[in-house]
Amino acid sequence: KAGVTQTPRYLIKTRGQQVTLSCSPISGHRSVSWYQQTPGQGLQFLFEYFSETQRNKGNFPGRFSGRQFSNSRSEMNVSTLELGDSALYLCASSLAGGSHNSPLHFGNGTRLTVT
Amino acid sequence: LAKTTQPISMDSYEGQEVNITCSHNNIATNDYITWYQQFPSQGPRFIIQGYKTKVTNEVASLFIPADRKSSTLSLPRVSLSDTAVYYCLVGDMKTSYDKVIFGPGTSLSVIP
Repeated sequence: KAGVTQTPRYLIKTRGQQVTLSCSPISGHRSVSWYQQTPGQGLQFLFEYFSETQRNKGNFPGRFSGRQFSNSRSEMNVSTLELGDSALYLCASSLAGGSHNSPLHFGNGTRLTVT
Repeated sequence: LAKTTQPISMDSYEGQEVNITCSHNNIATNDYITWYQQFPSQGPRFIIQGYKTKVTNEVASLFIPADRKSSTLSLPRVSLSDTAVYYCLVGDMKTSYDKVIFGPGTSLSVIP
């Protein structure tokens, strides 16, 4: 079974630009969640989508948004990029949302560098 | 989710058993304990999950005492490839996803 796939693997953008990251979950998984990982803040939850609906949201500004398509693939968008948005962005999928019988399966992330 | 406390770092020699303890004093009745492993520039990988007593799989064991206020991840006979950061997560993400907190984890260094 193919794992979680994130594209692109690396991305360099300039301040003020916007970026779209893509995540393809494991086949059959309906929940997709996004995380930001930085050396200073560690892994922080951004949002979670289930059946095309945002079900949970972390404490990030509105510049961070996402969506999920009918095939469970998800995209994350960051507008008006700031230097502090430089991070590893991780996507995780699960059958039902990371509960005890459906742990999270992570992709290898997109490394975003904002200059 | 319950707040967790783990050692920031640990060193071990190859072939030794490594035990990483996680404290979670305010664990709730419905909470499960999950451990993840992360290598540099990769996403965390699920290792093991448990609710009480002992759970064992092909890579690790998880020991949970009766009061469930702590848990210990045991890695038998570690090798250099076990050098990674290990995260302990406590909670039922299905009901409290917006409060998911990955702590700083434990950075394990395996020495040849």
